[in-house]
Amino acid sequence: GNSVTQMEGPVTLSEEAFLTINCTYTATGYPSLFWYVQYPGEGLQLLLKATKADDKGSNKGFEATYRKETTSFHLEKGSVQVSDSAVYFCALRGGSARQLTFGSGTQLTVLP
Amino acid sequence: ETGVTQTPRHLVMGMTNKKSLKCEQHLGHNAMYWYKQSAKKPLELMFVYSLEERVENNSVPSRFSPECPNSSHLFLHLHTLQPEDSALYLCASSRLASGGAGTGELFFGEGSRLTVL
Repeated sequence: GNSVTQMEGPVTLSEEAFLTINCTYTATGYPSLFWYVQYPGEGLQLLLKATKADDKGSNKGFEATYRKETTSFHLEKGSVQVSDSAVYFCALRGGSARQLTFGSGTQLTVLP
Repeated sequence: ETGVTQTPRHLVMGMTNKKSLKCEQHLGHNAMYWYKQSAKKPLELMFVYSLEERVENNSVPSRFSPECPNSSHLFLHLHTLQPEDSALYLCASSRLASGGAGTGELFFGEGSRLTVL
């Protein structure tokens, strides 16, 4: 079956530091890959996505590249802000599946 | 109005109570979902409704009973819950492409925080 593995948190960074959150997956076929973000007290929001190998999703300074050879979709940002503090979820949708499979989430705290 | 609205935001109930969680979406989507979010665990998909028909039930105990009266509304009826059922329950919706496949993006509500005493 499909599964997603994310690096465990929590991750604590200073403002303007470089961020990487690792995500690897197991899936049959050619899944679509997603990063969702959950700010405190809110539901999940789509941050970015990629639907085929070598695609790069980007939004709000965050980027992730769909690497089929390493089955990875690592999230990166060059300079984090305090407002980026949230929980980040990697997810995939395999083939004709209706639903997403999520990772366990990574808590990010950015200090001023 | 926000896209997906959940009520109540917080609920405390005893193990013998009966309560319901409500979800409403204003996005014109035709699929709705219930997820359970517990600390330090992946989101658990509970139920999926596609065009108001339940298409997924991931081995959820019968003390959770979903209802989807139309494409805009989804309920989760709760009865005789256990303390380990305490969690954040998230509703989501999406648009299905022809053939029933998902288009990928889920739109989530803010969740209902449930505490079972």
